[in-house]
Amino acid sequence: AQSVTQLDSQVPVFEEAPVELRCNYSSSVSVYLFWYVQYPNQGLQLLLKYLSGSTLVESINGFEAEFNKSQTSFHLRKPSVHISDTAEYFCAFFIGQLTFGSGTQLTVLP
Amino acid sequence: DTGVSQNPRHKITKRGQNVTFRCDPISEHNRLYWYRQTLGQGPEFLTYFQNEAQLEKSRLLSDRFSAERPKGSFSTLEIQRTEQGDSAMYLCASSLMALNYGYTFGSGTRLTVV
Repeated sequence: AQSVTQLDSQVPVFEEAPVELRCNYSSSVSVYLFWYVQYPNQGLQLLLKYLSGSTLVESINGFEAEFNKSQTSFHLRKPSVHISDTAEYFCAFFIGQLTFGSGTQLTVLP
Repeated sequence: DTGVSQNPRHKITKRGQNVTFRCDPISEHNRLYWYRQTLGQGPEFLTYFQNEAQLEKSRLLSDRFSAERPKGSFSTLEIQRTEQGDSAMYLCASSLMALNYGYTFGSGTRLTVV
């Protein structure tokens, strides 16, 4: 079965520290991969996506993710987090429609 | 372009009542999706439309649920004979057919069945 797994439900980290949010997928066909962010009481916002080409993709606010086909992973990283990055982050893949993981709550502590 | 708009933002209803939610997508987007999100979970796909045609329905969409998109513009999601298990956030998203553009999500309608 095709699925996406986010290994950590909660990640607390201190401000200005690096962070990695893990995402693994299972699929028998090629997939397109996405990270979305959800702030409290808001809808999901696209953070970044991998469709093809370079396996390292970046967002405008300093996040990056690397597609690793051999490890079937698409981990999200940021070298230095801010309080404002506190949110829930969802990994997703697209086969016909978006299928989401269960989410990782990132809490940035002062 | 005001994004994807969902109404109402919140709905409290008694078990057994019918409810209807509305989604207004971005005007030039021809695809529209409905998802359900429960606490601590990621959004789960319910159904999607391409223009006015409903192309796919999840097995989560029981016969108490119905969605329409008349004339390929706004969409409604109706739940009949609501149950407590229907309590969730219902999210709508729209997109162009080209995947490059991703989905744009609305802020959702939070349904509470008491």
